Amino acid sequence: SYELTQPPSVSVSPGQTARITCSADALPKQYAYWYQQKPGQAPVLVIYKDSERPSGIPERFSGSSSGTTVTLTISGVQAEDEADYYCQSADSSGTSVVFGGGTKLTVL
Amino acid sequence: EVQLVESGGGLVQPGGSLRLSCAASGFTFSSYSMNWVRQAPGKGLEWVSYISSSSSTIYYADSVKGRFTISRDNAKNSLYLQMNSLRAEDTAVYYCARGPYSSSSEIYFQHWGQGTLVTVSS
Repeated sequence: SYELTQPPSVSVSPGQTARITCSADALPKQYAYWYQQKPGQAPVLVIYKDSERPSGIPERFSGSSSGTTVTLTISGVQAEDEADYYCQSADSSGTSVVFGGGTKLTVL
Repeated sequence: EVQLVESGGGLVQPGGSLRLSCAASGFTFSSYSMNWVRQAPGKGLEWVSYISSSSSTIYYADSVKGRFTISRDNAKNSLYLQMNSLRAEDTAVYYCARGPYSSSSEIYFQHWGQGTLVTVSS
């Protein structure tokens, strides 16, 4: 089955850049999506189709893709960015959706 | 403003059934795909099922295939999930999530409800 691998945790100081990776274990790779989830809240889409940002999402959130790895970058991290982040994609047929295990971003 | 409000969660015994509903507002419901995504307590997100805008295409995660049935009523702006043969491992918050416009073949989740908790326990 298709799997996405994320680091369990990432820590950065305020104002620094956080990079959260998501690696697929097979090709071809479909588009990747990123969600932010704060405690007790529903997830929020922050990046779609690898690098597109939905309206209302701050410009400090960006996404990129290289080979079988996609990366969520948060530039100038703020305390309010502390949350769990999940990547999401689909298998080669596009009929089965998979999430990564999630990465807890801690702002020191 | 897009609003998705889930209901129908609760405590059910193993082997039992439950029907979740999701009331949608703030957008043209019949033009968008819809999904159910769940999250077990303290765990990550797990996609459960997808239904296209016209109900012509339906997908399920292997973990629920044959036990859960997704449906929608575009006249009532509502999404449903019939859950049968429930197991302890189905215990989770179940989110209703709107997908992209019907012309898109991608499956992802633009808007989410606040979720409804399903607990399977004796």
